[in-house]
Amino acid sequence: EPEVTQTPSHQVTQMGQEVILRCVPISNHLYFYWYRQILGQKVEFLVSFYNNEISEKSEIFDDQFSVERPDGSNFTLKIRSTKLEDSAMYFCASSLDYTDTQYFGPGTRLTVL
Amino acid sequence: GDSVTQMEGPVTLSEEAFLTINCTYTATGYPSLFWYVQYPGEGLQLLLKATKADDKGSNKGFEATYRKETTSFHLEKGSVQVSDSAVYFCALSDQATGNQFYFGTGTSLTVIP
Repeated sequence: EPEVTQTPSHQVTQMGQEVILRCVPISNHLYFYWYRQILGQKVEFLVSFYNNEISEKSEIFDDQFSVERPDGSNFTLKIRSTKLEDSAMYFCASSLDYTDTQYFGPGTRLTVL
Repeated sequence: GDSVTQMEGPVTLSEEAFLTINCTYTATGYPSLFWYVQYPGEGLQLLLKATKADDKGSNKGFEATYRKETTSFHLEKGSVQVSDSAVYFCALSDQATGNQFYFGTGTSLTVIP
């Protein structure tokens, strides 16, 4: 069964450093998403991406964040200058259509020191 | 705005016990409702869904009925197994507010032999 994959599974970085989290969505899906879950809190929406542009974003998704689909398979989330409060589990998801079920990857745990 | 309120955990049950995890929601439009499960070390997996009032989603012995009158989508299973130990997330998507998912806080379930 097709699945969303994410790399790395765990990333440790120093405050102020840039990180790139990588995702490979399900191959025929058209909509891509990033969510995050700070330890002990809800899973929160960050951004959705369709047709090579951001379609929706939350208040969390400020200028420090960017997303890109650099080729036909990868979908990346970049955090330009990490802060301690960026430490969280980041989930990538994809869906075939706008209203379709979203399928999630296993997550990348980001730890900012 | 849209939100999901989920029963607090953790929940500990003996094998073969009956499980209920409560979930209520607030939505602007007519949402689709989901239960996701996260097994230890893995990502969010779709467990079941319902897209309109009175629909019942079911999978692996789990069931949930979309109750518009009580704005609820409670998860039930008649006889839990040790392998059901995981974190369960209730979620909604609402076209009226875009296609992002809104998640509950998650309920940790431990089933003991």
